[in-house]
Amino acid sequence: QKEVEQDPGPLSVPEGAIVSLNCTYSNSAFQYFMWYRQYSRKGPELLMYTYSSGNKEDGRFTAQVDKSSKYISLFIRDSQPSDSATYLCAMSLGGGSEKLVFGKGTKLTVNP
Amino acid sequence: EAGVTQSPTHLIKTRGQQATLRCSPISGHTSVYWYQQALGLGLQFLLWYDEGEERNRGNFPPRFSGRQFPNYSSELNVNALELEDSALYLCASSLGIGTVNEKLFFGSGTQLSVL
Repeated sequence: QKEVEQDPGPLSVPEGAIVSLNCTYSNSAFQYFMWYRQYSRKGPELLMYTYSSGNKEDGRFTAQVDKSSKYISLFIRDSQPSDSATYLCAMSLGGGSEKLVFGKGTKLTVNP
Repeated sequence: EAGVTQSPTHLIKTRGQQATLRCSPISGHTSVYWYQQALGLGLQFLLWYDEGEERNRGNFPPRFSGRQFPNYSSELNVNALELEDSALYLCASSLGIGTVNEKLFFGSGTQLSVL
C-alpha cells in the first residue's frame, strides 16, 4: 500500500461547480497536511496548511482532515477557469519539510 | 519579496553529460530542497541542505549531488546523465532546522531534457 494515494483524474467540471479533491494515507502518525496547486510548467504553490484534524477555510477553499479515517479533502466552491491546475496533497510526520510525502496530484479542468 | 528562483529554465543535454542546476531560496530561509518531478511519478525527494550541510537525501544514485553555499543558494549536479533523468527539477526553500518548517515554497523549476 502506498503511503499517500491520490486519484490522478483528470477531473473536468463546469464553472461554478463545487469541486472535491481527496487523498488517503496509510501512516497514522502524519500530523501536518497541505494542499499545493501546480499550474502547467510552474512549481507547486502552497494553498492550504493544516495541523492535525479539523477544517480550515480560506476564501473559496476549504481543507478537511479526518485522521480517524486517514482521509483529507480539499473543497473548491464556485470554481473558476483559473482554478484549472494539478492539485497535490502532501503530509508530514513533523520535524521538517524533508519528510513531506506528496500525492501524485489530481488534474482539474474548470470549463467556462 | 522575491520567491525561490531557479536557473536555467530549460536545459538540454545528451546522455553521459553533466548538468548543473541552480537555486536561490527566499530571503531568510536556510533550508533548500531538491525534488524531481518526472511524468507520471509525482514529486520525488532528492536532497535537503540546511546551513551548508547535506541533511538528508532520497533514494537516488550518488551521481545526483549538490551543495549549498554560504548565502544559502544551492546547486544540483547530475553526472553521467541518463535518458530517464529527463524531468522537471524543482527547488524549494523553507525556514531551517529548529523551526516548524513544514511549509515549502517552490521555484518554477528547471526542465531537463536528456537526448
